Amino acid sequence: KNQVEQSPQSLIILEGKNCTLQCNYTVSPFSNLRWYKQDTGRGPVSLTIMTFSENTKSNGRYTATLDADTKQSSLHITASQLSDSASYICVVSADDYKLSFGAGTTVTVRA
Amino acid sequence: DTEVTQTPKHLVMGMTNKKSLKCEQHMGHRAMYWYKQKAKKPPELMFVYSYEKLSINESVPSRFSPECPNSSLLNLHLHALQPEDSALYLCASSPLGTSGSYEQYFGPGTRLTVT
Repeated sequence: KNQVEQSPQSLIILEGKNCTLQCNYTVSPFSNLRWYKQDTGRGPVSLTIMTFSENTKSNGRYTATLDADTKQSSLHITASQLSDSASYICVVSADDYKLSFGAGTTVTVRA
Repeated sequence: DTEVTQTPKHLVMGMTNKKSLKCEQHMGHRAMYWYKQKAKKPPELMFVYSYEKLSINESVPSRFSPECPNSSLLNLHLHALQPEDSALYLCASSPLGTSGSYEQYFGPGTRLTVT
């Protein structure tokens, strides 16, 4: 069964600090891995998408890494801002249409 | 324009009502999706349309009826829903091609409450 597991389930950080979110997956075959940010009651917004051959990708203060051998990914948030408070979802694609979603990590940034 | 729009933003309906959710994109994407998301859970795929034809139905109850009138529009017709159908309904679209990386763009969702 294709699974995507994220950790931690939630975390609280102070504004300006860094944090790293983890994602382990067993999806096979592997097409790509995405990180989405989802504000409460809103649709997910794509942060990064990585294919098998990519091991790091940045989008502003967000940097994602991918180790396809160990089937692990991380999302690093640098110099967090209050607006970074959201759920961060790791999503792995095995084929054209169907995505396997992780349960998400809820990040709360406090002033 | 990289936006997927959904209307209405909020919908409250009784179990005997008939209503429709609408989704629109103008990115030229030929795949469109409906997802259902319960609170604090990841989205669950409901339907996929490819080139305006239904290609995936994830065993969704018949009280949900999708429709794709053209390549830019996607509707979800609702009839005789149950309270447990209350959720955030997300629409998404993506390009189709041979790249293997089909970025899905999500709309803001419709918050549905069934009373």
